[in-house]
Amino acid sequence: EAGVAQSPRYKIIEKRQSVAFWCNPISGHATLYWYQQILGQGPKLLIQFQNNGVVDDSQLPKDRFSAERLKGVDSTLKIQPAKLEDSAVYLCASSFPRGRRETTDTQYFGPGTRLTVL
Amino acid sequence: AQTVTQSQPEMSVQEAETVTLSCTYDTSESNYYLFWYKQPPSRQMILVIRQEAYKQQNATENRFSVNFQKAAKSFSLKISDSQLGDTAMYFCAFMKVGAGSYQLTFGKGTKLSVIP
Repeated sequence: EAGVAQSPRYKIIEKRQSVAFWCNPISGHATLYWYQQILGQGPKLLIQFQNNGVVDDSQLPKDRFSAERLKGVDSTLKIQPAKLEDSAVYLCASSFPRGRRETTDTQYFGPGTRLTVL
Repeated sequence: AQTVTQSQPEMSVQEAETVTLSCTYDTSESNYYLFWYKQPPSRQMILVIRQEAYKQQNATENRFSVNFQKAAKSFSLKISDSQLGDTAMYFCAFMKVGAGSYQLTFGKGTKLSVIP
């Protein structure tokens, strides 16, 4: 079974520029998460999707961050305009197989995108 | 809101020895899950072990086991027969059960180095 895919793996931009990250979850996973991991800290949830609907975006800085999951499969996270403090690793995770009676407690993570804002 | 505290920023252990990583958490919830995730230098976060709060029995996965003390809100990870491949950042995480949001709240991590 293929894991969570993310691209690009690395991105360097100047402040005030825009950037987009892509995530393709494990096939059949209904729930998709975006986390921000600043150096030296644990990941922090930015947004959670259930299929193509938003479940939790309470920690998403909505003035500059946006995310979508239009067809309930892959997702895009955008930052516009970027600030220096957005330098971090952006992790995508997925969970909860559709149509199976399994617990929802295991999140599978992708390799992440390391963003550097200069 | 939940908080997760890992008080050991760095630890080291000799190969084949046993090491215990500490984690405490604060919550008013009664139904929740606890996790340990491993993040090697390649950055892929991997689940090590999970514990349901309603279960009194401590979870084990091969060389990994936990000591779950619900009253003390403590959740430590024991790694037996440490191997070089265990070198990584280890994160303790909390998940509240119910209400549709399965947000993980992570600690700041413990960097474990296994020494040959």
